[in-house]
Amino acid sequence: GNSVTQMEGPVTLSEEAFLTINCTYTATGYPSLFWYVQYPGEGLQLLLKATKADDKGSNKGFEATYRKETTSFHLEKGSVQVSDSAVYFCARASGTYKYIFGTGTRLKVLA
Amino acid sequence: EAGVTQFPSHSVIEKGQTVTLRCDPISGHDNLYWYRRVMGKEIKFLLHFVKESKQDESGMPNNRFLAERTGGTYSTLKVQPAELEDSGVYFCASSQNRGRTGELFFGEGSRLTVL
Repeated sequence: GNSVTQMEGPVTLSEEAFLTINCTYTATGYPSLFWYVQYPGEGLQLLLKATKADDKGSNKGFEATYRKETTSFHLEKGSVQVSDSAVYFCARASGTYKYIFGTGTRLKVLA
Repeated sequence: EAGVTQFPSHSVIEKGQTVTLRCDPISGHDNLYWYRRVMGKEIKFLLHFVKESKQDESGMPNNRFLAERTGGTYSTLKVQPAELEDSGVYFCASSQNRGRTGELFFGEGSRLTVL
């Protein structure tokens, strides 16, 4: 099928801890992949993206690498901050205009 | 430049009532999308407009949902009559890109609670 699976939350970390949020996808071909973030009280914002295999998307200290061998796009950050507390959504393109999202992972960072 | 705006931010209605959600896309964006997130599950596609035309409405749950985009500007999503399972957050997004999927710009969402 065509789906996106990401790790269930909530994920609770201490400030400066290392973060990994796993995301795997199923698809035919190599769709563009995205991470969106929703901070409290705000809309979804694009965090980073990768449009082809082996691409690495990065933004605000977050990184994710498009791995076609493992059909994964795991989100990582070396040192999280309290301000990173949010819900993170992995998504892949479906066709030329549609996204398929994962269920979202809530991250809570404690000071 | 204003982003995607949605109204209302939160609506609480009783089962059987009608609710209309509004979305104003980013000016100049021809593509407008509605998505929905129900009870902490994945965000699911509802439909896609290109200007005033419905390009794809394959994600609309049933005929109680009606989306319009008169004049190709703002869009409305009406739920009539609302049922309990319609509760969730309705996101609107817009984009300018054609061809290969580009970034969607999302609004803050309209939270619908049906009692």
